[in-house]
Amino acid sequence: DQQVKQNSPSLSVQEGRISILNCDYTNSMFDYFLWYKKYPAEGPTFLISISSIKDKNEDGRFTVFLNKSAKHLSLHIVPSQPGDSAVYFCAASSALRGGSEKLVFGKGTKLTVNP
Amino acid sequence: EPEVTQTPSHQVTQMGQEVILRCVPISNHLYFYWYRQILGQKVEFLVSFYNNEISEKSEIFDDQFSVERPDGSNFTLKIRSTKLEDSAMYFCASTLQSPGDNQPQHFGDGTRLSIL
Repeated sequence: DQQVKQNSPSLSVQEGRISILNCDYTNSMFDYFLWYKKYPAEGPTFLISISSIKDKNEDGRFTVFLNKSAKHLSLHIVPSQPGDSAVYFCAASSALRGGSEKLVFGKGTKLTVNP
Repeated sequence: EPEVTQTPSHQVTQMGQEVILRCVPISNHLYFYWYRQILGQKVEFLVSFYNNEISEKSEIFDDQFSVERPDGSNFTLKIRSTKLEDSAMYFCASTLQSPGDNQPQHFGDGTRLSIL
């Protein structure tokens, strides 16, 4: 089941530069998209989300872009900091049926920000 | 900031035994979830719970599994007759959302379940 794909298992960037994490999805019923950050031995921490009625959402250093026609979203982190080093998960859900809106996760991208 | 609390952090159980994983969701949240992550694999949905009943469950959530909200604060996942392949991280999550009202799910730090 590959409804949400993160094709890059890892990404390494220099401190102060931009980090761009990518995510593709196949299910056109998805209408809410989220990014989570996960440190070892901790649970996923919510970072930022976007509804399908928008194409951009910004929160401080974090911006999520949604391209519905391409079924693609990306997370931009500017400027990147060493503390951003973690695994980043893309997740999606559908509210169209109502009810539980379970999350479907990608496999994650491990971001390393080098000082 | 309110958080989801899970206990224990690590559970070691003999195959065939029953195990109960416990979660205290954020107090004013309405929807509760269990997910699991087998080592090296994706986080995958198990079950959602709303208004004291299961609202959705995955194919993984068979008769071996059950959930309960025994009081106003705890949300438990019971696995009867555990199998080796049940070894995984189990995450509890909760959200304030109503259907169609997009709110993020907030996760606990998980319980690592090891079946011997």
